[in-house]
Order: sequence, then structure tokens, then C-alpha cells
Amino acid sequence: DVKVTQSSRYLVKRTGEKVFLECVQDMDHENMFWYRQDPGLGLRLIYFSYDVKMKEKGDIPEGYSVSREKKERFSLILESASTNQTSMYLCASGGTSGSSTDTQYFGPGTRLTVL
Amino acid sequence: GQNIDQPTEMTATEGAIVQINCTYQTSGFNGLFWYQQHAGEAPTFLSYNVLDGLEEKGRFSSFLSRSKGYSYLLLKELQMKDSASYLCAVRDNYGQNFVFGPGTRLSVLP
Repeated sequence: DVKVTQSSRYLVKRTGEKVFLECVQDMDHENMFWYRQDPGLGLRLIYFSYDVKMKEKGDIPEGYSVSREKKERFSLILESASTNQTSMYLCASGGTSGSSTDTQYFGPGTRLTVL
Repeated sequence: GQNIDQPTEMTATEGAIVQINCTYQTSGFNGLFWYQQHAGEAPTFLSYNVLDGLEEKGRFSSFLSRSKGYSYLLLKELQMKDSASYLCAVRDNYGQNFVFGPGTRLSVLP
């Protein structure tokens, strides 16, 4: 079974703090993704990475950065947390791009509250 | 632009059949996926369509019409455990990016 793990299920931080969310997958997937999920808005892509040290902006990258130093690990960084970044953060990984049935496998999510 | 629409909420009775619709307008298309997400949990993969037609998987079936930008997920013999959100997602031409719809929250009543 594919396993995607995230460093925390729940996190509470204060405005202005630097926040690190980590994601690890064990299936040797090339692609990894960070989404945030908010009621009524669905999943929105923040950043994705298709290889080590490679990253691409998604739909809402402002206020976030990412790091992928190893294939299995993809980190999301909030440089200076703000209250509007309170959300559920979901990491996902997926196999070879373009394969017919490659789906995305999701981690359990991190519910981040910024006070 | 990228746009995927689904009904926000649906209610159905245990044992019944329910159809959840999804319409999409995306710049590219390389497959449509359905995911199930129980409250507080991660989305899990349900089904995949890339060609027009119906794909059946036990109690769940998914249909795709590419010319109409339309898909539906059909759930038969509903059970209480089917109460969840159902997410429709389109994969882009390069097979890397997924665009997700807002999700449909299904409540199954006894």
C-alpha cells in the first residue's frame, strides 16, 4: 500500500511565525503536491514538484515556499504565517506523469490554525 | 480558465441509487478522477475515466462524455458509510496537475 505521511495532524501557530509542514511518501513517486482545502473552495494547488530540487507554482503560491531535497520528502514552508492561512493542508504524491491510471495518493492532512 | 462544477450537497436514502454530476471546462484533459473523502480524512481514489463511456466498479460506476465536458458518479445500494464528500478532478495534458472540483457532500439517511 502506498503511504503518504505528514508531520502533524494538528498545528497551532501565531501570526508571523515560520511554519514547516513535512510530507514523506514511500512509493518512489516522482510527483508530489501541496494543496489547501477550505470549505466551499475545494482543493487548491499551492506548489508541486516533479523531481528532486524542482518545483512549480500552483494556483495559490503566494505566502508559501517549498523544498524538495530528497525524492521522498516534500516540505511546505509558510515564511510568516497569517490568519488567512488557517486551513487544512493536504500533501499528495503520484507516479510517472502521463501514465493512464496514475492517481494521486493523499496524506492524512494537517489542520493548521494561525492565531 | 479551469472550472469544475459539482452540486454542493445531496441527500439520499439507504439502499437507494444516487448520481453525482460533474461538469468541467479545462485547458487540457488527460483523465477524470473521482475521490471519496470522509470528514476529517484524506481523499481516496474511487474511479478513473479517460475514454467516453461507463466504468463499473462494484457498487460504484463513473461515466464520461468528453465532448460535453461531463461526468457522473453513480452509487448503488447506498450504505450509511457512503456518507462523505465526493470530489471530481481533471488531470491536465501533461499528466502532472489535477484540478479539483469543490466536492459534493452526500448524506445517506436511514
